[in-house]
Amino acid sequence: GAVVSQHPSRVICKSGTSVKIECRSLDFQATTMFWYRQFPKQSLMLMATSNEGSKATYEQGVEKDKFLINHASLTLSTLTVTSAHPEDSSFYICSALGFPNTEAFFGQGTRLTVV
Amino acid sequence: GENVEQHPSTLSVQEGDSAVIKCTYSDSASNYFPWYKQELGKRPQLIIDIRSNVGEKKDQRIAVTLNKTAKHFSLHITETQPEDSAVYFCAAGDGGGADGLTFGKGTHLIIQP
Repeated sequence: GAVVSQHPSRVICKSGTSVKIECRSLDFQATTMFWYRQFPKQSLMLMATSNEGSKATYEQGVEKDKFLINHASLTLSTLTVTSAHPEDSSFYICSALGFPNTEAFFGQGTRLTVV
Repeated sequence: GENVEQHPSTLSVQEGDSAVIKCTYSDSASNYFPWYKQELGKRPQLIIDIRSNVGEKKDQRIAVTLNKTAKHFSLHITETQPEDSAVYFCAAGDGGGADGLTFGKGTHLIIQP
């Protein structure tokens, strides 16, 4: 299957700082990328949908000013957690959808710990 | 929006027995139903999916059934093996993928030797 690379895999940051997570589709062009958050032993929750060249669409309850998403090219989307707090500690996973839309491929996830 | 319910949350079966995980969904517009296997700290891996134009799909020991009228779909794993132990998630969404997926809460499948 297609390859989606997500970096970093783990990051520890201090409260109040910002963290950028990158999601790259390595062998296909991703027209749409999704960002999910997963708390320990819980399900994946969709945070936002980003389409290349346009503003991201955020799910209800997700602060767009806190979770900045940029999808500047067909192979790269970034999620920036601004002014991170301990409650933002979670597993963040991206998935990328190519054209024509078929299966969405997941990145390997980023474990964010805010101390 | 879509709401996906998944049961059971934990399932323990003897090695060699079958395991069945069930999901229901609420949005009749959903037409794509994938199942993912996730090991701790790793990305979800698609194991099988079904679209609303078929009622059943099988891939070796894994099968999925879909009842669109009742809005439920199920994962069946036969002849379970230790490596089947993981968390399984069902999901529902638009077959075109543009709206993302709504996931169930997951089932922790434990295969007892």
